[in-house]
Amino acid sequence: NAGVTQTPKFRVLKTGQSMTLLCAQDMNHEYMYWYRQDPGMGLRLIHYSVGEGTTAKGEVPDGYNVSRLKKQNFLLGLESAAPSQTSVYFCASSSWSARSTQYFGPGTRLTVL
Amino acid sequence: GENVEQHPSTLSVQEGDSAVIKCTYSDSASNYFPWYKQELGKGPQLIIDIRSNVGEKKDQRIAVTLNKTAKHFSLHITETQPEDSAVYFCAAPPGYSTLTFGKGTMLLVSP
Repeated sequence: NAGVTQTPKFRVLKTGQSMTLLCAQDMNHEYMYWYRQDPGMGLRLIHYSVGEGTTAKGEVPDGYNVSRLKKQNFLLGLESAAPSQTSVYFCASSSWSARSTQYFGPGTRLTVL
Repeated sequence: GENVEQHPSTLSVQEGDSAVIKCTYSDSASNYFPWYKQELGKGPQLIIDIRSNVGEKKDQRIAVTLNKTAKHFSLHITETQPEDSAVYFCAAPPGYSTLTFGKGTMLLVSP
């Protein structure tokens, strides 16, 4: 099993550009999460999903949108990127029976100029 | 919501020494406390967890203790090795579906 994969691994955007980050998991997990990691700030939850077709806001949702059209995929979109969105983004997933045990992907490093 | 405080932010030890990282939480209803290890350039990985009906849990050189009355829990690493160098995160569940993470502790083990 590949576990949780993220694409792309690195990306540089200009202010105002848009992009989509893709997260895929092959563990048949119900729950999926998007976090951002900034120096000294730990992991902050952006959005999450408790099942196909459902999404919910986390701690820092502004400027981001998400979609969960398929159970195995969770997309994070930036409609108009801002320098404040420069960060490392992590996707994670967990099963319904052990929802607090999250499995993380390798991360995407995004720079917005 | 849940508020998780983690200390220290950085910790330097000599190989073979013990390391202790402490976390406090605010929501007395929280009942599960995991610890994650993040190596450079990788995503966090669960290393140990403890549930509220247990006061201590050990796994080889790693142990976690929980004091529900004081609302704090700690990670203890004994006989540290250079490969223990990483960022460690504690977490607590603010609700049914999510985790709130501490800000992390960078542990550096010098040979």
